Amino acid sequence: EVQLVESGGGLVQPGGSLRLSCAASGFTFSGYAMHWVRQAPGKGLLWVSRVNNDATTTNYADSVKGRFTISRDNDKNTLYLQMSSLRAEDTAVYYCARGRGGAWYYDYWGQGILVTVSS
Amino acid sequence: QSALTQPPSASGSLGQSVTISCTGTSSDIGSYDYVSWYQQHPGQAPKLMIYEVNKRPPGVPDRFSGSKSGNTASLTMSGLQTDDEADYYCGSNIDNTVVFGGGTKLTVL
Repeated sequence: EVQLVESGGGLVQPGGSLRLSCAASGFTFSGYAMHWVRQAPGKGLLWVSRVNNDATTTNYADSVKGRFTISRDNDKNTLYLQMSSLRAEDTAVYYCARGRGGAWYYDYWGQGILVTVSS
Repeated sequence: QSALTQPPSASGSLGQSVTISCTGTSSDIGSYDYVSWYQQHPGQAPKLMIYEVNKRPPGVPDRFSGSKSGNTASLTMSGLQTDDEADYYCGSNIDNTVVFGGGTKLTVL
C-alpha cells in the first residue's frame, strides 16, 4: 500500500525557517518524481515545487523561488521541503504528492501537515 | 503562472448529471492533454479522479468522465450521489509548473 506521511509542520515566526519531511512507503520511491502542493485555510490548491526521481531537476513556483528548497533522499525514501524567510502568506496545509507522467498529475497524496507563520 | 478558471459552485440533484468546466488558453489546455481532476472532501487530502483529460484511475467509478474541447476541459458526473458533494479542482502541467483551477464546490441537492 502506497503511503506518504508528512511531518515537521508547526508554528513559526515570520522570517523563520522550517523543514518538512515526507516519508514514503509501499512503492519504489526512486522511480517517481515528487511534489509539494499547499492549501491556505479555506483556499484552493497551489503547487509549490517538484523534484524528479533522481534529484537532478527541481522546479518551483514563483512565489517560493529563492526561499524554498526541495530535496530527496532515495536511500531513506524521504522527500523534504526546506522553507526559509517564511511569510504569513505561506501559512497552509502542505501536501506531498507522487507525480506521474508528463502531465504531472498526482495519484497519491499525503494527509497534509499544517504550517502556520505568525508572530 | 495564471490559474485555470473554474466556476466557484455547481449543483445537481441526486441521480442527475452535472458538468464542471475548467478553462485555460490555447497555450495550455488547448495544446496538451495534461488536464487532471481532483476531488476533495472537507478535511481530507485531494483524490485523483481523472488524468490526461479522460483517463480514470483504478477504483474511480465510470460515473466520472472527462473531456476537452478547445481551451476548456470538463468533468462530468452522472448518477449523482451524496458522497459526490465535495470540492473539485482541475490541474495541468503548464511550462513545467502545475497550475490548478480555483476549485468548484459541488452541492448535491
